[in-house]
Amino acid sequence: EVQLVDSGGGLVQPGGSLRLSCAASGFTFSNFWMSWVRQAPGKGLEWVANIKHDGSETYSVDSVKGRFTISRDNAKTSLYLQMNSLRAEDTAVYYCARGRDLNSWGQGTLVTVSS
Amino acid sequence: DIQMTQSPSAMSASVGDRVTITCRASQGISNYLAWFQQRPGKAPKRLIYAASSLQSGVPSRFSGSGSGTEFTLTISSLQPEDFATYYCLQHNSYPITFGQGTRLEIK
Repeated sequence: EVQLVDSGGGLVQPGGSLRLSCAASGFTFSNFWMSWVRQAPGKGLEWVANIKHDGSETYSVDSVKGRFTISRDNAKTSLYLQMNSLRAEDTAVYYCARGRDLNSWGQGTLVTVSS
Repeated sequence: DIQMTQSPSAMSASVGDRVTITCRASQGISNYLAWFQQRPGKAPKRLIYAASSLQSGVPSRFSGSGSGTEFTLTISSLQPEDFATYYCLQHNSYPITFGQGTRLEIK
């Protein structure tokens, strides 16, 4: 069974940093693109970034370029999102998802950016 | 960027009704279209991929159709557990984009 477990969320001040993790199991992690998606409170879904099987390609939405970095460790079957220079508008539940078509999702982790 | 426009944004229906939700892309996306269901407080769940393929384990009352710029999600006979928010997603080109969502409520 595919399992994705998101962690690392919390309360951070504007301008601060946070690193999210996603632990994957139940499938061959190194065969899949992986993605991050977020959802601000009461709002719709927003794709954030994704990364190719081997980490050689990454893509992200313009609003996080230069601030967020997606990475992966295939040996640890884990996905990461390093978030720097956080802003109030980054407050959201962050989900990791498998594939470019988001075929399986983690449970999400809440990031709150507030002073 | 490709804009995905869902309609309606919200609707109410009764158990047993047939419901159709539409998603229009601002440019052609072939069949790189998926549909998701999200219940309150839960992670989204994929229902349909490649515009018309049913995700394993999803009830057959859900179906998808379309190609190019216009797509539909149909629920043939609404069940109580289907009252949720539905999103379309295009992954034909970057940035990957979602529709704004359709909230389906009980009449």
